[in-house]
Amino acid sequence: QQQVRQSPQSLTVWEGETAILNCSYENSAFDYFPWYQQFPGEGPALLIAIRSVSDKKEDGGFTIFFNKREKNLSLHIKDSQPGDSATYFCAASHTNTGKLTFGDGTVLTVKP
Amino acid sequence: NSKVIQTPRYLVKGQGQKAKMRCIPEKGHPVVFWYQQNKNNEFKFLINFQNQEVLQQIDMTEKRFSAECPSNSPCSLEIQSSEAGDSALYLCASSPTGANTEVFFGKGTRLTVV
Repeated sequence: QQQVRQSPQSLTVWEGETAILNCSYENSAFDYFPWYQQFPGEGPALLIAIRSVSDKKEDGGFTIFFNKREKNLSLHIKDSQPGDSATYFCAASHTNTGKLTFGDGTVLTVKP
Repeated sequence: NSKVIQTPRYLVKGQGQKAKMRCIPEKGHPVVFWYQQNKNNEFKFLINFQNQEVLQQIDMTEKRFSAECPSNSPCSLEIQSSEAGDSALYLCASSPTGANTEVFFGKGTRLTVV
C-alpha cells in the first residue's frame, strides 16, 4: 500500500511560472511533511517542511499548502528557474518514529 | 548544505562480495538513518540509531545487512554477501532529534553489484 502518493509524475513549466506539485497520504498519524529536492547523482536536499498544526509554510520562493482534513498538501515553486529542474519528493513521518515515508517523486523540468 | 559525509561515493562489488559504506553524521546530530534508493527512485528505510543504540530496523530476514554507529567512529552499513538486487544508492541521514525535525541526507554511496 502506497502511503504517500505524488502527482504528477512529471511536470514541465516555463521559466518564471509557478510549478505546483501535489502529495497525498494515507496515515492520519503522520504529522510532519518535508519536501526534498534531488539532482541526479546527489542525495536529497531538504527544501521546506510543515507540521500538521499549520496549513501554510513559506520559505523564499517555496510554499507548502496543507489540508489535514483531506490529507493532502502541495508545494508551490514560484518564479521557476531552469536550475530548479530536479526530482522533488514529498515525505511524511510521525512523532513516534521519526522515520520518513517517501512518495515516488515528481520530475520537474523548467524550460527557459 | 548538508554536512553528512558518506564514503565511498561509488562502490563496485562482485556477487557474493562484502560491501561496506560509511557515514559521518552532522556534528551534534545523535540520530542516524540509513535508506536505500533503488533505480525507480523508491526509498526503503533500513535502520536508524540514536547514538549507538538501534531505534528501529526493517526485518532484515536475509541477515545480509548489518549496521552500527560506534562512539567516536563513523557509522557503517555492511552487506555481507552482495546480490545484484542490492545495486542502489545508499543514503545516510542525520537529525538533531529524529522526532519530526529536519533530517539531512548525505550524497549517498552508489553500490553496483556486477
